[in-house]
Amino acid sequence: AQRVTQPEKLLSVFKGAPVELKCNYSYSGSPELFWYVQYSRQRLQLLLRHISRESIKGFTADLNKGETSFHLKKPFAQEEDSAMYYCALSLYSGGGADGLTFGKGTHLIIQP
Amino acid sequence: KAGVTQTPRYLIKTRGQQVTLSCSPISGHRSVSWYQQTPGQGLQFLFEYFSETQRNKGNFPGRFSGRQFSNSRSEMNVSTLELGDSALYLCASSRGQGIGELFFGEGSRLTVL
Repeated sequence: AQRVTQPEKLLSVFKGAPVELKCNYSYSGSPELFWYVQYSRQRLQLLLRHISRESIKGFTADLNKGETSFHLKKPFAQEEDSAMYYCALSLYSGGGADGLTFGKGTHLIIQP
Repeated sequence: KAGVTQTPRYLIKTRGQQVTLSCSPISGHRSVSWYQQTPGQGLQFLFEYFSETQRNKGNFPGRFSGRQFSNSRSEMNVSTLELGDSALYLCASSRGQGIGELFFGEGSRLTVL
């Protein structure tokens, strides 16, 4: 079965410092990877997906199939980045939808 | 555009009872999926519906069931409630088949006493 691991439950960095939220997955095929974010008192929402290859709110994530990782990075953290971040994986089946497999999440705190 | 709406937001039940949770997707979205969120297990996929058909199901016992109506609204039911069913139940909708972007509701928080 597929698995998503986020090794850090809590990550605290200072404003302006670089941020890297780690995500590793176990699956032998070619999954689709996502980062979802939940800000305080808001709904869980999509931050970015690997097939889009976009930078959202300054965040980027590169899929490394060799290391089976999909780390989320931002060069300069801002206080508004404080939130809960979830890495998620989907097995693209073509004919239908598979549920997302989520990691346990990393609580990112940006200190002023 | 209204977001995903879940009702009720909070409810308390006792062991052995059953519960029905409702989810109204974003207008035009035909896929609805359900997730259970607990402190210990995190977010776990329950099932997904598209055009009134269950497309996929997670690893949960048969006490957990769901359905989708022709207007894409969905309900999930948990029978014979156990203490361990206490959780936040999240509904998410998306435009069509395939995983796409999921839009989540605020959740229904179930407490089983």
